[in-house]
Amino acid sequence: GQSLEQPSEVTAVEGAIVQINCTYQTSGFYGLSWYQQHDGGAPTFLSYNALDGLEETGRFSSFLSRSDSYGYLLLQELQMKDSASYFCAVRGTGGFKTIFGAGTRLFVKA
Amino acid sequence: KAGVTQTPRYLIKTRGQQVTLSCSPISGHRSVSWYQQTPGQGLQFLFEYFSETQRNKGNFPGRFSGRQFSNSRSEMNVSTLELGDSALYLCASSLGGLMNTEAFFGQGTRLTVV
Repeated sequence: GQSLEQPSEVTAVEGAIVQINCTYQTSGFYGLSWYQQHDGGAPTFLSYNALDGLEETGRFSSFLSRSDSYGYLLLQELQMKDSASYFCAVRGTGGFKTIFGAGTRLFVKA
Repeated sequence: KAGVTQTPRYLIKTRGQQVTLSCSPISGHRSVSWYQQTPGQGLQFLFEYFSETQRNKGNFPGRFSGRQFSNSRSEMNVSTLELGDSALYLCASSLGGLMNTEAFFGQGTRLTVV
């Protein structure tokens, strides 16, 4: 089977850097994705790691280590608008199914 | 281009009734996936469709079903509603490749069963 674990909540200060971890158990997958969801909104795609290493997109970066079954999303220069839920997701090689973690609620304080 | 459209946005149903939710994907996208979202549970996979064929199904009872039409629009149906079916139902559209790196979500249908 496949499962992903994320911390349920993270709190950080405006302007700081925060890292949201995602550990997974899966027999095989194509890559690790990250999505952001504001309250009342739809999840929106942030990044995708097919290979090990760091992918950078503006203030957001995502990292994957297949050998450690671990990935993370790094948010820099935090802004109040970054307060949202963040989900990691994997697309398994065993079938046409994308599995999401339970999500991490990020609170950004002034 | 227009995003993913889900209708209706809100729905209140009584236990035992059935409900049909609709999802219109982004033009050109042939894959539609459905998810159930409840507080603290993240997004639970329901099914994925591509070119009118169900490619995979999550661990939900048979009361949950879906279909996809030739224009890629998709519907999901829940019969004999239970209180526990109250949730936000999200659909996501994508080009449909095996790796499916990016999905575009609709605003969801908020279903309340009373």
